[in-house]
Amino acid sequence: GEDVEQSLFLSVREGDSSVINCTYTDSSSTYLYWYKQEPGAGLQLLTYIFSNMDMKQDQRLTVLLNKKDKHLSLRIADTQTGDSAIYFCAEIRSGGSYIPTFGRGTSLIVHP
Amino acid sequence: DSGVTQTPKHLITATGQRVTLRCSPRSGDLSVYWYQQSLDQGLQFLIQYYNGEERAKGNILERFSAQQFPDLHSELNLSSLELGDSALYFCASSVGQGGINEQFFGPGTRLTVL
Repeated sequence: GEDVEQSLFLSVREGDSSVINCTYTDSSSTYLYWYKQEPGAGLQLLTYIFSNMDMKQDQRLTVLLNKKDKHLSLRIADTQTGDSAIYFCAEIRSGGSYIPTFGRGTSLIVHP
Repeated sequence: DSGVTQTPKHLITATGQRVTLRCSPRSGDLSVYWYQQSLDQGLQFLIQYYNGEERAKGNILERFSAQQFPDLHSELNLSSLELGDSALYFCASSVGQGGINEQFFGPGTRLTVL
């Protein structure tokens, strides 16, 4: 199986909260990222969390990390149509080359 | 705008041909990364250069090669192209390596092999 797994699609209504989930397999992961890819563009770092943290909040974004279950989530509050994009989870493992391993991405579709 | 530029934006070529993709990193960034994004494989890391030297290699085929020049721009050469090489190729750059290592991605080159 893949090292980083995400569901492929998520559909929400504008104004609702979105929760995008990710599981990873390497317990030595030191940094975990969420990248956003808008149509026709490259990836853009949205937020990151260190492996010694459980939660990080940044405006409408909340990242939760459950190290025991190797589960990472990204919650977007008050989701807007402009949040429609592909969201990639990525991990960096300790002792390695600091090259992130990306999941396949979750397409978030926000309906008005 | 990430500050990373890639040319060309689109490339259409035939099987067996050779193409060169070009990337200019953000000003001050020493590391350049190449990725391939396709529907079936997702985002795959190909290769990294740091200040002109190869630093990490991922799932890069032998038909593909890359280099980073003294002015830090990079080129990815794809030869003996096959239909399966059709994909989006992204270049990313970062200041260094290690730590948070935020990578800034260019807009990509869409390669279509007919």
